[in-house]
Amino acid sequence: GAVVSQHPSRVICKSGTSVKIECRSLDFQATTMFWYRQFPKQSLMLMATSNEGSKATYEQGVEKDKFLINHASLTLSTLTVTSAHPEDSSFYICSAQDYYEQYFGPGTRLTVT
Amino acid sequence: AQKVTQAQTEISVVEKEDVTLDCVYETRDTTYYLFWYKQPPSGELVFLIRRNSFDEQNEISGRYSWNFQKSTSSFNFTITASQVVDSAVYFCALSGPREANSKLTFGKGITLSVRP
Repeated sequence: GAVVSQHPSRVICKSGTSVKIECRSLDFQATTMFWYRQFPKQSLMLMATSNEGSKATYEQGVEKDKFLINHASLTLSTLTVTSAHPEDSSFYICSAQDYYEQYFGPGTRLTVT
Repeated sequence: AQKVTQAQTEISVVEKEDVTLDCVYETRDTTYYLFWYKQPPSGELVFLIRRNSFDEQNEISGRYSWNFQKSTSSFNFTITASQVVDSAVYFCALSGPREANSKLTFGKGITLSVRP
């Protein structure tokens, strides 16, 4: 099946700094990528939908200026958490859509100290 | 709006027992898709099954089986002869028509613990 990678798998950053997470579709072109956030022992919540070459669509309650999403190519989407705070610590998961199938990345665990 | 309800939060069984994980959904779409995912402690989501709204046939895959009933808006998942490796969080999810924005709505998940 199709493979989606995320980098880094784990990151620890200090409060106030920014961190970038990459999501790549390795063997297919993804017209749409999704970003989810999962807090401990909770479900996955969709943060935003990104389409290649256009602005991301954010879900209600997600700050677009804090969570910057760039979908510069058909194989790469990035999520930048700006001015991170401890409450942003979470597991971030991306998925990439290939026609009608959606494939998930392995996730990135962000810890903000 | 779409909604997925997994009323069970935690289930604990002894190895070799059968266990059923319940999923109830709500949607106004006539075409939709239902999914089950497994999330082991590593965190990576493992795809188990996709079912479209027009296919109510039950499916069996090894020890796994799924019961889709549109009349009750349910898509239940049964593991037969459970094993310790089945211990994980299981999510049921729903998406709309594939031609449209196919974002997934997840249930809250069920933590399954299989004891030796």
